[in-house]
Amino acid sequence: SSELTQDPAVSVALGQTVRITCQGNSLRSNYASWYQQKPGQAPVLVIYGKKRPSGIPDRFSGSNSGNTTSLTITGAQAEDEADYYCNSRDSSDNHLVVFGGGTKLTVL
Amino acid sequence: QVQLQESGPGLVKPSQTLSLTCTVSGGSIRSGGHYWSWIRQHPGKGLEWIGYIYYSGSTYYNPSLKSRLTISVDTSKNQFSLKLSSVTAADTAVYYCAREMIVGVPADMVIEYYYGMDVWGQGTTVTVSS
Repeated sequence: SSELTQDPAVSVALGQTVRITCQGNSLRSNYASWYQQKPGQAPVLVIYGKKRPSGIPDRFSGSNSGNTTSLTITGAQAEDEADYYCNSRDSSDNHLVVFGGGTKLTVL
Repeated sequence: QVQLQESGPGLVKPSQTLSLTCTVSGGSIRSGGHYWSWIRQHPGKGLEWIGYIYYSGSTYYNPSLKSRLTISVDTSKNQFSLKLSSVTAADTAVYYCAREMIVGVPADMVIEYYYGMDVWGQGTTVTVSS
């Protein structure tokens, strides 16, 4: 099975830009999606493939290069402080789903 | 607007079977282009994919849980369910149901497929303890 690797924690100053990355071999052949999870709440989809769901602010964007996918927040807000998870399909069987370990984003 | 709601016992004894149901409202579970998924989150940990089912009954399971897991669908009730047998304390977690959409986007001469779990239940806490 595949693994997706994320940095455990990232911080950003209020109003600045932050990039959260996710690495894995499966990302060479599959697009990823990104989820935001705040304490005590269910995850929320913020990016899928190259798209952003309706209602998600346009400061959230996604990009891909090789085995790495990135979530960029341009002009981070206090309300963006949360855990972020990437997910994608398994590189050996694209019916199987894998999640990254998550990144805790702190907005300073 | 589609909503999902998990239901089931919050406490299960070790070695017994954990059973949860997810009720879909505001839309049909028979709608194409969606997988109906289960995900769990151990206390203080990350998300773990459990498995999903298509309305036709096709299922795909996390290999680490496959031997203990059954996911089924009842289209007449607009519900899908999870059964996890022989549970231990390691199965204590918040269990979420979610709808995963599959979107095909034309790009040059190919179709790119994007997946995303766009609707989630609120989650239900299941504790395995005697």
